[in-house]
Amino acid sequence: GENVEQHPSTLSVQEGDSAVIKCTYSDSASNYFPWYKQELGKRPQLIIDIRSNVGEKKDQRIAVTLNKTAKHFSLHITETQPEDSAVYFCAASINNAGNMLTFGGGTRLMVKP
Amino acid sequence: DAGVTQSPTHLIKTRGQHVTLRCSPISGHKSVSWYQQVLGQGPQFIFQYYEKEERGRGNFPDRFSARQFPNYSSELNVNALLLGDSALYLCASSPRPQGLGYMSNQPQHFGDGTRLSIL
Repeated sequence: GENVEQHPSTLSVQEGDSAVIKCTYSDSASNYFPWYKQELGKRPQLIIDIRSNVGEKKDQRIAVTLNKTAKHFSLHITETQPEDSAVYFCAASINNAGNMLTFGGGTRLMVKP
Repeated sequence: DAGVTQSPTHLIKTRGQHVTLRCSPISGHKSVSWYQQVLGQGPQFIFQYYEKEERGRGNFPDRFSARQFPNYSSELNVNALLLGDSALYLCASSPRPQGLGYMSNQPQHFGDGTRLSIL
């Protein structure tokens, strides 16, 4: 089955700096890659997603890039703010396999004011 | 609009007991998926239901079962509870699952979860 690895497990940045979180996946059939933000004690919130027919997607301070050949995708957060502090999860999903998301292990992002 | 709602929010059980967790999807969503999130880890897929039929199952024992009702709400049942079943159980809904002839992938939206503690 699909396996998703996520790095780093913790990331500390200064407010205003950029943060990058990287994920790799194993199954080349995966074609949908969402990113979720989970604050302590709260639900995972979908913040951005990308499909395999697109190489990059941006939404304000957040961007995701996908390299299908290398089977990795990354989340980029620019101009980080303290409220960006949370655990971020990447996930991958294979078409024709229902709604099964395989998640990475998570990255705890801490933005220091 | 109401998001995905789950009940109860917290539950304490003892080993060997059974538990039923409930989920109501976002209005208009017909697909419900269940995930288990152990503290410090990413969610793990348990089940997906669409139009009252099981469409996907993760690597969980037969003690775990689920069903979906005509109004698209869903229940997750766990029998013979073990200490290792202690986790946050998340429900996610989407308009329709991937595949089944559809070309686009549908985002999943999660509820707040049920925190299950086994003593």
